[in-house]
Amino acid sequence: EVQLLESGGGLRQPGGSLRLSCAASGFTFSNYAMSWVRQAPGRGLEWVSSITDSGAATYYADSVKGRFTISRDNSRNTLYLQMSTLRAEDTAEYYCAKDHRGNYVPGYFDYWGQGTLVTVSS
Amino acid sequence: DIVMTQSPDSLAVSLGERATINCKSSQSLLYSSNKKNYLSWYQQKPGQPPKLLIYWASTRDSGVPDRFSGSGSGTDFTLTINSLQAEDVAVYYCQQYYNTPNTFGQGTKVEIK
Repeated sequence: EVQLLESGGGLRQPGGSLRLSCAASGFTFSNYAMSWVRQAPGRGLEWVSSITDSGAATYYADSVKGRFTISRDNSRNTLYLQMSTLRAEDTAEYYCAKDHRGNYVPGYFDYWGQGTLVTVSS
Repeated sequence: DIVMTQSPDSLAVSLGERATINCKSSQSLLYSSNKKNYLSWYQQKPGQPPKLLIYWASTRDSGVPDRFSGSGSGTDFTLTINSLQAEDVAVYYCQQYYNTPNTFGQGTKVEIK
């Protein structure tokens, strides 16, 4: 059974930093691209970032480019999102999502984690 | 960026009746080399993460009831829920994966009338 378990969310002040993690199990993690998708309270889904299976290529939404960094550790089956220079508008539930393919993005997301809440407020 | 526009924003349907959700993209999602439409549909129930329903515009994901169907090509797509059940109350999103950035529609909320 595929499982994606996010952690690391919390409350930060504007300008602060946070690192999210997503522990994956139930599939060969190193064979699939992975992504982060966020959802502000009461709002729709917004793609944030993707990384290919090997980690060789990364992609970012314009809204986070230069502030967020996606990475993965295939030996630990874990996806990360390093978030810096946080803004109030980054407040959202952050979902880890498995892509249906490996070395090319974008794709559709066949599994999602339960999410971790990031709140940016003073 | 490809803009995805869903209609309506919300709809109320009686139990056992049909719900139809439309999704329009600002450019074609049909890839000429493989004749596939790069369009997926997700269901999000309150307090839960999204769940994949449909990919390649019309392929149901494993375990998805056959009352859910996807259709369309190019720029116009439809998600149909035949014989609406109480457990289908949710927000439904379309998503294009033709190019980066992935973009989602704004969502359509389905309720029971």
